[in-house]
Amino acid sequence: QVLLQESGPGLVKPSETLSLTCTVSGGSVSSGSYYWSWIRQPPGKGLEWIGNIYYSGGTKYNPSLKSRVTISVDTSRNQFSLRLSSMTAADTAMYYCARLDHDSSAWGQGTQVTVSS
Amino acid sequence: ETVLTQSPATLSLSPGERATLSCWASQDVSTYLAWYQQRPGQAPRLLIYDASRRATGIPARFSGSGSGTDFTLTISTLEPEDFAVYYCQQRSITFGGGTKVEIK
Repeated sequence: QVLLQESGPGLVKPSETLSLTCTVSGGSVSSGSYYWSWIRQPPGKGLEWIGNIYYSGGTKYNPSLKSRVTISVDTSRNQFSLRLSSMTAADTAMYYCARLDHDSSAWGQGTQVTVSS
Repeated sequence: ETVLTQSPATLSLSPGERATLSCWASQDVSTYLAWYQQRPGQAPRLLIYDASRRATGIPARFSGSGSGTDFTLTISTLEPEDFAVYYCQQRSITFGGGTKVEIK
C-alpha cells in the first residue's frame, strides 16, 4: 500500500517561495504509469489542481498558476516537490500530494500553509 | 482548458433517499471523468473512474454515468456516512466546484 506524506513550512511570508516535499513509501516515484500530483484547498472552498509530474518526468501545470509553479522529482529519496513563488494571502490553503492512476488514487493527509507576515 | 461545472452546489436529503449529482464539461472529455468523495477533515477518496467504473472497495450504491460533456453520480440509498462533498475531475487534472450533500 502506497503512503504519501507532505512536509514543509506551515507559515510563509508574502512574496516568498513555498517549498513542499511529498515523501512516498510503499511504492516508487519512478515506476508505473502514475501522475504524481499537487492539489490545494483554500479554507471552506473546493479542490484546485496545481500540477502533475509523470513517471516519465514530464510536467503539466494549472494555467492559472503555471508562471509560479515548479514540480520536480527526486528518485534517490523517493520524493517529489512543489515550489510556488510570489506567495500571497490567496495561496493560503491545505496542500495535498497525491498519486493518481487510471483507476486508483492515494493521497497524503495534507499540510496547512498560511501566508502571513 | 476544460472547465467542469457541478450542480447543484448543495443537495439537502434524508438518509435512505436517492441522490443525483451532475457534472458538465465545457469540452468533450469522452469518459475520462472521475468522482471523489471528501468527508470533513479528510483527504478526497476516489469513488468512480472512467465515468462509470467503481473504484476498489466502493459500495454498489454508488454509480456513475455519462460521456462527452454530461455526467451523473447517483447514490441509490443515502447512508449516514455519505453526507459529504463530491467532486468530479477530468483526466486527472481539473476539478469541478463540488456538490455538498447535507442532511435535510
